[in-house]
Amino acid sequence: GESVGLHLPTLSVQEGDNSIINCAYSNSASDYFIWYKQESGKGPQFIIDIRSNMDKRQGQRVTVLLNKTVKHLSLQIAATQPGDSAVYFCAERSSGGYNKLIFGAGTRLAVHP
Amino acid sequence: DVKVTQSSRYLVKRTGEKVFLECVQDMDHENMFWYRQDPGLGLRLIYFSYDVKMKEKGDIPEGYSVSREKKERFSLILESASTNQTSMYLCASHPSGRAAGELFFGEGSRLTVL
Repeated sequence: GESVGLHLPTLSVQEGDNSIINCAYSNSASDYFIWYKQESGKGPQFIIDIRSNMDKRQGQRVTVLLNKTVKHLSLQIAATQPGDSAVYFCAERSSGGYNKLIFGAGTRLAVHP
Repeated sequence: DVKVTQSSRYLVKRTGEKVFLECVQDMDHENMFWYRQDPGLGLRLIYFSYDVKMKEKGDIPEGYSVSREKKERFSLILESASTNQTSMYLCASHPSGRAAGELFFGEGSRLTVL
């Protein structure tokens, strides 16, 4: 069945370091992937997306990498800041149904000074 | 900025009570969604609506119903609340034509059923 999972439930980094959050997906037919950030007490907020015909996409301080061979997705955050502390979710668009997203369990990123 | 407002941030209800969770968006979005969020399970889709008076079941619709009488408002209804419906409920909206995953979420309604 379809599933989206994360390798690490919690990631601790030092301020200024780069962070890498990983995600595995199981549905090879998924064509679209998204990363969301959820700060404490708030709803998830869209960060960046990538389509399955791409391997890499860059935003402001963030990069998403997609490896379809091993069905792996990662979010890289450059020069991590305290404001990056949050739970990060990956999600995939399932092969059936309009805009139906399957979310992973989430990874908590803790940034230490 | 898009604003998705969930009227109740925290609710405590008793088993068997009827519960209404209200969600309003101010950007004229066609599509609206209800998710529940539980630790270790991520977000799971309960129901969604792509137009007024239209609704589609998500992955976990059992025990829930929805109402979309106006474009800006999408309500989640628990006809008879049970303890296993204790959760965080998230409403989201999305305009047709935008990137498929770019949902705009409200801040959530944390429901406790005793």
